[in-house]
Formats: sequence, structure tokens, C-alpha cells
Amino acid sequence: DVQLTQSPSSLSSSVKDRVTITCQASQDIRNYLNWYQQKPGKAPKLLIYDASNLQAGVPSRFSGRGSGAYFTFTISNLQPEDVATYYCQQYDSLPATFGGGTRVEIK
Amino acid sequence: EVRLVESGGGLAQPGRSLRLSCEASGFKFDDYALHWVRQGPGKGLEWVARISWNSGSTAYADSVKGRFTISRDNAKNSLFLQMNSLRAEDTALYFCAKDKLSVGPDAFDAWGQGTMVTVSA
Repeated sequence: DVQLTQSPSSLSSSVKDRVTITCQASQDIRNYLNWYQQKPGKAPKLLIYDASNLQAGVPSRFSGRGSGAYFTFTISNLQPEDVATYYCQQYDSLPATFGGGTRVEIK
Repeated sequence: EVRLVESGGGLAQPGRSLRLSCEASGFKFDDYALHWVRQGPGKGLEWVARISWNSGSTAYADSVKGRFTISRDNAKNSLFLQMNSLRAEDTALYFCAKDKLSVGPDAFDAWGQGTMVTVSA
């Protein structure tokens, strides 16, 4: 199975800050990586697909980069409504796997 | 508006069975693969199973293989998860999720709110 290692596991930043999360895969997964946002008590929501494509309706302050085994996810202008846990997910091979999550809080 | 609504969760004793359902609306149901994803209390997301658009292909996580069966009824826009031989470690919130593609997995672009399954004596 492909293991995804996310870091950090949690972070606290100020409003308007730039925040970056990394996701490292245990093998080459090409660009078959997605990013989700899960707010407390809610279902996950797709933000980024195929490593760098913004899902329709998602604010442009969210972005993703990377290919192979190293990926980054950035919130360029952190807003209070971005408080959530963020997960990466690979679909290069079954089973689809998720990273451990990164909890983002506001200072 | 795409909508997925899960039901069927509850309390079950170890070794017993439960059947989860997911009713879909707002999209052409038989064009897309569907998945079950679970989340243990305070834990991360775990993919459980996938079924292709025409039920021709299914896949399971090793943790549930041989115990869970995913199925769908395209005439009723419904997805199911038959869960047998339940274990304490199956306790989780179970989400159904829509794939972007007909076979998948790809990106899960719509999710239900989940149904809670608790396995305890």
C-alpha cells in the first residue's frame, strides 16, 4: 500500500498568513493526489485534484503543487473559516490511501 | 445540487451484521463510481470499498475484505454496504462518496454526512 506522510500534524497561524502543508508518498504516485478539507463535525470536501487543479467553487487562495512522491498544499491568505483538518489522498493504486491529516488553527 | 444521504448505522454486537444505505440525487447516478470511506472516533480517513458505475468492478481494503460487500442499485440511485462479522475496530462514521470517474478511484467530489456504526457488546 502507498503510505502518505503529512506534515506538520498541526499548525497555528495568524489570519492572512501563508500556510504550507507537505505530503510525502512512499513511492512515485505521478500526480494522482488530491487534497480535502474537513471542518469539525462535517464531511470532507474536495479542494484540489490531480495535485494542482482547483475544484470548482473553491477559493483561489488554496493551491497545490508537486508530482512523483512530494507534494505541497498552500493556503495563501489564511482566513478564520479555513480552520479545519486537511488530508491528502492518493489514487495511483488501490487501496486509495489518505495522509494522517493536518489540523490548522488560527493564532 | 449533488446530495448523498447515508442511513442504516447503529449499535451492533461483535460478530453481527449491519447494512448501510446511501441515497443519491442531483447527478446521473449510473455514470460514476462510488465509495465507502470511514473515520474512527477522533481518527483520520480510511477508504473502505469502491464499486464501478455498472457494478462490474469492486475493490476492498484488506481490513474489510471477505466481511463487507459493496453493491448498488442504479434503478434506485442507491449504494449499499453489507457489513458482516463486525469487529470493535469497525466502529466509525461511514461516509459514502462519489467519484469523479466511472470506475475510479480518482477524486471524491461529493460526500454524504455519514452514518455512525458502533460495534460493542
